[in-house]
Amino acid sequence: SQQGEEDPQALSIQEGENATMNCSYKTSINNLQWYRQNSGRGLVHLILIRSNEREKHSGRLRVTLDTSKKSSSLLITASRAADTASYFCATVLSGNTPLVFGKGTRLSVIA
Amino acid sequence: NAGVTQTPKFQVLKTGQSMTLQCAQDMNHEYMSWYRQDPGMGLRLIHYSVGAGITDQGEVPNGYNVSRSTTEDFPLRLLSAAPSQTSVYFCASSYSGTVSWGYTFGSGTRLTVV
Repeated sequence: SQQGEEDPQALSIQEGENATMNCSYKTSINNLQWYRQNSGRGLVHLILIRSNEREKHSGRLRVTLDTSKKSSSLLITASRAADTASYFCATVLSGNTPLVFGKGTRLSVIA
Repeated sequence: NAGVTQTPKFQVLKTGQSMTLQCAQDMNHEYMSWYRQDPGMGLRLIHYSVGAGITDQGEVPNGYNVSRSTTEDFPLRLLSAAPSQTSVYFCASSYSGTVSWGYTFGSGTRLTVV
């Protein structure tokens, strides 16, 4: 069964606005990762946040992690049409355990 | 540096046929895995390997076999294709363990079983 659940399932915003996607998970984790998938393509790793971290930044991306609530959020600031894609959170429980994905959020950025 | 290479990109099989999806990486990653992606289901893990000679089952292993004889290659075999195996298959690799590293994904194989 899938560990993470993204919310919302779909999001449509205007170019220049911020986009926020949320991920909730069920069990304790070692780290949580966010991936982007453009239509018909493979997934691209965006950012990894460890369980002892609360916030990370990478360019226009900001990820937060709240282990007490078992949740994470991905914020994309000043969105662009090129940000249109599906975004997935994925969790690692420990060490060599494999990555478990949620079902994703479909983001549409309208120019 | 090619990353993760999957072949073929598209395949149509008849029910009962067998085939092998190829996956190769040139990054000396020890960790490799296979996922399938179906509409509305996200990615589900089929099999994974933490190194040459070691494989383990994921969430949906039935109907699939894997082997890992080299660090570079991790083929996925469909033993007797069924329409339920119609999906997009992704291979991914990472450095040993996923404590600090993200996965690198291939571009996928779109499989249709008729």
